[in-house]
Amino acid sequence: NAGVTQTPKFQVLKTGQSMTLQCAQDMNHEYMSWYRQDPGMGLRLIHYSVGAGITDQGEVPNGYNVSRSTTEDFPLRLLSAAPSQTSVYFCASGRGVRSPPSEAFFGQGTRLTVV
Amino acid sequence: DAKTTQPPSMDCAEGRAANLPCNHSTISGNEYVYWYRQIHSQGPQYIIHGLKNNETNEMASLIITEDRKSSTLILPHATLRDTAVYYCIVQGGYGSSNTGKLIFGQGTTLQVKP
Repeated sequence: NAGVTQTPKFQVLKTGQSMTLQCAQDMNHEYMSWYRQDPGMGLRLIHYSVGAGITDQGEVPNGYNVSRSTTEDFPLRLLSAAPSQTSVYFCASGRGVRSPPSEAFFGQGTRLTVV
Repeated sequence: DAKTTQPPSMDCAEGRAANLPCNHSTISGNEYVYWYRQIHSQGPQYIIHGLKNNETNEMASLIITEDRKSSTLILPHATLRDTAVYYCIVQGGYGSSNTGKLIFGQGTTLQVKP
């Protein structure tokens, strides 16, 4: 049971490049989400999903796309990277709204630098 | 979602209890109080959650006031490994309009000193 796995751990992009951050969970969780954390700040919600085929925007969705074709995977796509997207990205999963309130599980993060 | 207010930083001596306060005066009846912590730049780690009763697990205790407008996370015997940023989050339970997404504030940086 690996929990929440994020790849890659580190990435450097040039401005304008696109890439996909991968997130996978093996706990059969309904709920998955993406956060970004800038230096000295708390986490901010980018996008989330309450189940396969359903996604919605969080606090800071601009510049990012997501899809949820399977329960296990929730990739985050940067369409055209900008220096302002330099951050640490965390993926999380949880049992979802049809379950009693419980904990969310976080991955170890992807450290992205856009130059 | 109800907002939370936490002190930006606290110190605690190793071996002593660390008491981290959180104000959530606008909490509604079906919202839970959650605590997470983040050590260095690792992914946040769940600690504990509660609705209105005090809760205890192997990591910590959560004391929620009777009016539910504030709470305290207690680490009974803090160690150097407990140095981290602690986040208090209010989140709706299932059946509410809240979809389970977490809204993080700035948190409290707890420094445990030898």
